[in-house]
Amino acid sequence: SVLLYQKPNRDICQSGTSLKIQCVADSQVVSMFWYQQFQEQSLMLMATANEGSEATYESGFTKDKFPISRPNLTFSTLTVNNARPGDSSIYFCSSRGQGNTEVFFGKGTRLTVV
Amino acid sequence: TQTVSQSDAHVTVFEGDSVELRCNYSYGGSIYLSWYIQHHGRGLQFLLKYYSGNPVVQGVNGFKAEFSKSDSSFHLRKASVHWSDSAVYFCAVSARGSSGNKLIFGIGTLLSVKP
Repeated sequence: SVLLYQKPNRDICQSGTSLKIQCVADSQVVSMFWYQQFQEQSLMLMATANEGSEATYESGFTKDKFPISRPNLTFSTLTVNNARPGDSSIYFCSSRGQGNTEVFFGKGTRLTVV
Repeated sequence: TQTVSQSDAHVTVFEGDSVELRCNYSYGGSIYLSWYIQHHGRGLQFLLKYYSGNPVVQGVNGFKAEFSKSDSSFHLRKASVHWSDSAVYFCAVSARGSSGNKLIFGIGTLLSVKP
């Protein structure tokens, strides 16, 4: 299995500011995924991040708004730029273990933009 | 493109009842199917998965799911629910292959277990 640690657990930020969310895996993983979940809704895949390459974004998510870094096989950061109240949601990082079909999730970062 | 649908937004049962949470998918190739549980205000916990072999897979806490290729389904079942099973259940699909590691989630089914 893979343990994923997210920091911070929650944050409140002002509109127009930026926020960084970190995700650390306890072992090396090929791909890390970032998901967004609005309250009482499903999880939406935002992007896939592989080491040393630019993240691949899903429809509706852009690099300018949600830049993602993946400097090594155990770490990724998601930045929320120019945060707006509509960005208020929970952000999850996830990854699949080596040779494993099971996907693991961090505990999420609850962001509130005021 | 793979998709997954969960037809029931909310299911209510009594403690000790059996329950089935439905999941249907669409995809032409080989896929992985899984179920996750999310208790209120918490992260996602893995329940079970299917990718080949026995179509009936056993998960944690007495949950099991059955894969049906003919019905394009992967319904989750439990014989006797407990109040602590109250949560949102997400069905997820991912396509096998180099680009297939990302999970696509259904909208979730809220299971309410009454005492």
